[in-house]
Amino acid sequence: GQQLNQSPQSMFIQEGEDVSMNCTSSSIFNTWLWYKQDPGEGPVLLIALYKAGELTSNGRLTAQFGITRKDSFLNISASIPSDVGIYFCAGQNEAAGNKLTFGGGTRVLVKP
Amino acid sequence: KAGVTQTPRYLIKTRGQQVTLSCSPISGHRSVSWYQQTPGQGLQFLFEYFSETQRNKGNFPGRFSGRQFSNSRSEMNVSTLELGDSALYLCASSLHGGAYEQYFGPGTRLTVT
Repeated sequence: GQQLNQSPQSMFIQEGEDVSMNCTSSSIFNTWLWYKQDPGEGPVLLIALYKAGELTSNGRLTAQFGITRKDSFLNISASIPSDVGIYFCAGQNEAAGNKLTFGGGTRVLVKP
Repeated sequence: KAGVTQTPRYLIKTRGQQVTLSCSPISGHRSVSWYQQTPGQGLQFLFEYFSETQRNKGNFPGRFSGRQFSNSRSEMNVSTLELGDSALYLCASSLHGGAYEQYFGPGTRLTVT
């Protein structure tokens, strides 16, 4: 089946830092979605991207739909403690029957 | 607008039993998708229902089934539970179906002993 490779698997943030994570695949996707999941909760939709090259912001979050349609990245600017959690990318394409395929997640932790 | 609700939030069952989980989508949403989340396999798609019809199905055994009612509420059933079925089961609702902007509920944590 299709795979989305999300990196890094985990990262430590310090308050005020900018951080980036990305998602890559060998398959082309028509839609990219980014979610954040807190412990014991369901994923919360952060940003949805529908067009190659699209750059969309939601507060301190910015995500881009790669030109090749095989990748996407998420940037968090000026990190704050509540940014801690697991971030998932998800892609949709016809090859997968239009269902969402999820990346393995990036765990964001606070530097001790 | 109320979000996606799932009941129960936690469940403990014994191997061999069956279980039914419930999901109420956001008002007006006609599509409900179900996912299984485990530490080892991540988020995996189970099936999607749209207007009471199963529109898409993942690679899970027939022990996993679902249905959707006319009010868009959905249930999923797992029969003959196995230890490996222990997971967080998430449902997501969408206005149009497919992958567009799916909104997740809090999940049902199922533990099989």
